[in-house]
Parts: sequence; C-alpha cells; structure tokens
Amino acid sequence: NAGVTQTPKFQVLKTGQSMTLQCAQDMNHEYMSWYRQDPGMGLRLIHYSVGAGITDQGEVPNGYNVSRSTTEDFPLRLLSAAPSQTSVYFCASSYSRRGNTIYFGEGSWLTVV
Amino acid sequence: QKEVEQDPGPLSVPEGAIVSLNCTYSNSAFQYFMWYRQYSRKGPELLMYTYSSGNKEDGRFTAQVDKSSKYISLFIRDSQPSDSATYLCAMSAERGTSYGKLTFGQGTILTVHP
Repeated sequence: NAGVTQTPKFQVLKTGQSMTLQCAQDMNHEYMSWYRQDPGMGLRLIHYSVGAGITDQGEVPNGYNVSRSTTEDFPLRLLSAAPSQTSVYFCASSYSRRGNTIYFGEGSWLTVV
Repeated sequence: QKEVEQDPGPLSVPEGAIVSLNCTYSNSAFQYFMWYRQYSRKGPELLMYTYSSGNKEDGRFTAQVDKSSKYISLFIRDSQPSDSATYLCAMSAERGTSYGKLTFGQGTILTVHP
C-alpha cells in the first residue's frame, strides 16, 4: 500500500517554464487536495477535489491548474512558473466518511529561479 | 490577521518534560480541530483529532479545545527525543475535514534534547 505518492521529489524551474506535479493515491479516496508550505505560513490550500471531474479553488489558487480525470490521480500544473511559487507542495487525500484522517504525501520541493 | 495563530517557537525542552503547544483562532465556525506532526523533509501525519470543545487523550498526548476562548492546546507528557518535530494545528469549519479544506497554523518547531 503506497498511500499518497508525489513526483518529482525535487525540481528546479526557470521563470516562465511550465510543469506538472503528479499525485496518486491507491486508497480509493474521493477527496484530494494540494497545499503549499512556506516558512512561517503553515500549509495553505491551493485546490481540492471531491471526486473525479470535480475541482474547486482553495486559498491560494492563482498560477495553478488542476484536473481530476480519475479517482487515483490529481496533478497540479504550474502554467508559467514564478519565483513566488518556490515552495514545498503537499498532496493529500481522504475518504468522504472517515473525515478525520487526511493522508499527506511526502512533498515536492520546487525552486523557481 | 491570520485565521489561525500559532507560536512558531522554536521550543527546546529536556527529555521527560511536559510540552504545551497552543493555537488561537478567529473563525467561530471552526468545529473540527487537529494536530499534525511533521518530521523534517516529510509530510504531516495526523496526531489528534477533536470535534468541538473538550479533551481527548491518546497515550502521552492530550488535546484540549476551548471554543468559548477560541483556543486549542496539545500537551505531550514525558517528552522523548523522537517527539522532536514541527507540530501543526489545523481546523475545519465543515463536516468535511474529509474535503481536505483545512486551515493550518504556522507550526511550532519542537526539540527534545536527551
């Protein structure tokens, strides 16, 4: 049981480049979400999904796109990377009924130069 | 002003000490309160979950919620070096913590030295 798997672990991008952070879970969770973690800011919600084909914005959605074509996958796309998007990104998932346990991935460290 | 405020520390205590970690919040709609532990270079893992006001105990960990004061606490008894980590409080206003729509505090860095 792999849980929540994020790739890549580390990435360096140039300003203006695009890329996709991958997230996959093998627990058949309906809900998936993306957070970013910055020093002194805690984790902030970027986008979330309550099921395949359904997504919505969180607290800091600008500059990011998501889609949910399958239950298992929830990729996060950076359309035109900016230095302000340098951060650690965490994907999370949970069941709809067992609402008290949200599982996080190991994180993706992104640097935009 | 942030919805959830947490003293970032760092907090350094000797092994065996009682540790108190706290968060205050401003959104009275928050109903679900969680504490996460995050080791360096790892994702957060759920430690404690509490609904509404009250106390919850799990081994060496006790979570307290006082909704009237908008204040939550996590106590760690007999702290161990393995407890050294960042502790994050998180809250949700919806039945769906399952929605993953959590509001986090900034995190407190805890070091327990032998």
